Parts: sequence; C-alpha cells; structure tokens
Amino acid sequence: TQLLEQSPQFLSIQEGENLTVYCNSSSVFSSLQWYRQEPGEGPVLLVTVVTGGEVKKLKRLTFQFGDARKDSSLHITAAQPGDTGLYLCAGARDDKIIFGKGTRLHILP
Amino acid sequence: NAGVTQTPKFQVLKTGQSMTLQCAQDMNHNSMYWYRQDPGMGLRLIYYSASEGTTDKGEVPNGYNVSRLNKREFSLRLESAAPSQTSVYFCASRRGQGKAEAFFGQGTRLTVV
Repeated sequence: TQLLEQSPQFLSIQEGENLTVYCNSSSVFSSLQWYRQEPGEGPVLLVTVVTGGEVKKLKRLTFQFGDARKDSSLHITAAQPGDTGLYLCAGARDDKIIFGKGTRLHILP
Repeated sequence: NAGVTQTPKFQVLKTGQSMTLQCAQDMNHNSMYWYRQDPGMGLRLIYYSASEGTTDKGEVPNGYNVSRLNKREFSLRLESAAPSQTSVYFCASRRGQGKAEAFFGQGTRLTVV
C-alpha cells in the first residue's frame, strides 16, 4: 500500500497549457516536499510546505498544502519543454522520508 | 562541492554474487538513506540511518544489509544478488528530521543477470 498516491502517473501536454498534479494520503504529515528528477540524476528539492492551507510559488509553479495536511498539489502555468521530468512528492514520517510513485511529465514543443 | 557521492555508477552482477554499494556525504548530515527506484514505482526506502551508530529498516529491506561506518559513510550490501534486485539505487542524506531537505547522489544502476 502506497502511503502517498500521486496522480496522474503520466501527463503529456502541449507547450503553453496549464496542468495540475496531485499528491494524496490518508495520513497527516507535518510537511510535504516536492522533488523533480531528470534522467540519470537524483531528485532535487523544489519546495517544502509545512502549514495547512499554505501556498508557495516558484516562478510558474504553484504548490499548495491541504488544510488537513494530508494532500498537496502542484500547478504549472504555461508549461515549457524545460518542465519535462519526473515530479515526486514526499512526506516525512519520524526519521523516514516516504515518496509517492511520481508523475512523469512531458511537455511537447 | 561533492555533496553525496555514490560508487560505482554502474554494475552488472551474476545471480548469487555479492557486492557493496558505497555512499559518502561531505555536508556533516546526521541522517542517511538508501532507496531503490524501479519503473513506475517511485523511490522505495530500503534502509535508513538517523544518526551515526543507528540503522533501521524501511519499506523494502529484505535481501539487503547496511552499515553506517561513520558520520560520512553509509554502505548497502547485497549478500546474494537476485534478478529482482535489478534497479537504480540512490543514496541520500539530510541534516535532521521533519522538513529538512534531502540531497541525493547520482545513483547506481545495478543489473543482476
């Protein structure tokens, strides 16, 4: 059973379109993180959300933490080919970091 | 800045062979992790070490052992490799718990034939 469920698993859209990726859990997390991974590399942190209802923006990327701290979303505005990659959400549980299965995003030029 | 260094980058093993994957970090982090990544499965935690001298099982520990040699180094050992252990292995470290950022190595691509 996956503690963190991500959807969709795959997404292929045209450059300029908007998209939203979801990360859901039945458990409460003290914080959730979003990482991005490129082929042949390890994941790199994009953002950490801590407070329920928190919204953080990173250029065209908007991250939101659910009020109950069980879910998070990543919204990309006007997607660019450079946004292509694997997006992973992760939750901290005691000393462990648990990852979702990831969303593989492909932006077509 | 080296960050997290993993060796080797690639390895092919025959079924039943043993090997140790090495990981070292130069950021003075307390916590270190080993993950495996398979297609469509994201990152699954194998073992972790919250501090020097302690290790704990993660989600998929069977078939693996670990050693936290010192604060810098955390190794992963496969005693008798199986084809099901073909995967990309990532080591990570972070300063502490909670919202601390995890830093990853570049991975080891292991094939067991």
